[in-house]
Amino acid sequence: AQKITQTQPGMFVQEKEAVTLDCTYDTSDQSYGLFWYKQPSSGEMIFLIYQGSYDEQNATEGRYSLNFQKARKSANLVISASQLGDSAMYFCAMRERLNSGYSTLTFGKGTMLLVSP
Amino acid sequence: DGGITQSPKYLFRKEGQNVTLSCEQNLNHDAMYWYRQDPGQGLRLIYYSQIVNDFQKGDIAEGYSVSREKKESFPLTVTSAQKNPTAFYLCASRGLAPEETQYFGPGTRLLVL
Repeated sequence: AQKITQTQPGMFVQEKEAVTLDCTYDTSDQSYGLFWYKQPSSGEMIFLIYQGSYDEQNATEGRYSLNFQKARKSANLVISASQLGDSAMYFCAMRERLNSGYSTLTFGKGTMLLVSP
Repeated sequence: DGGITQSPKYLFRKEGQNVTLSCEQNLNHDAMYWYRQDPGQGLRLIYYSQIVNDFQKGDIAEGYSVSREKKESFPLTVTSAQKNPTAFYLCASRGLAPEETQYFGPGTRLLVL
């Protein structure tokens, strides 16, 4: 079963506007973490923002904020005041604890964001 | 500067050939990971290692092998048993709890000739 769902294959936004990228997740764990990464055309995965399952406040990092709705199992990324350099693939990921005690990340399929002038 | 390096940036493999992708980190992280990314897809876990001389199979380990002889290094070998190796390979290391954020290298693109 898919554990991370990103339903928007692509999104368009004009420069300086805000945009929301959707992410829903599925887990039975009480303790988990949610991450957003940016992947520009160069390929490198750039960490943007983290939300812990026990964090009561939504995470923010500069122009990025995470709209965390635990009961709905959603963790949407909000980018305020979009810039041309924000054009990239964006991945939502969830940290899972394995039976071995180690943790790994499970990724969604990503959303391509294009910012136009 | 602390970070993760991967080499080479591009790699070409002939049929029946084993190739090794390098991953080095100077972040002093214990855990390291290898992921595979196919076009239009998310990342899938190949292998991971929590400590030196220990590693575990991920979701798609068949046709791959790894070693972890040093904390800083986690090389991935793509063997001839991997029938469809053309992909983008990303290495990551994991930071401290509670976030345990994974930080990625720049990746290696493997192409089969």
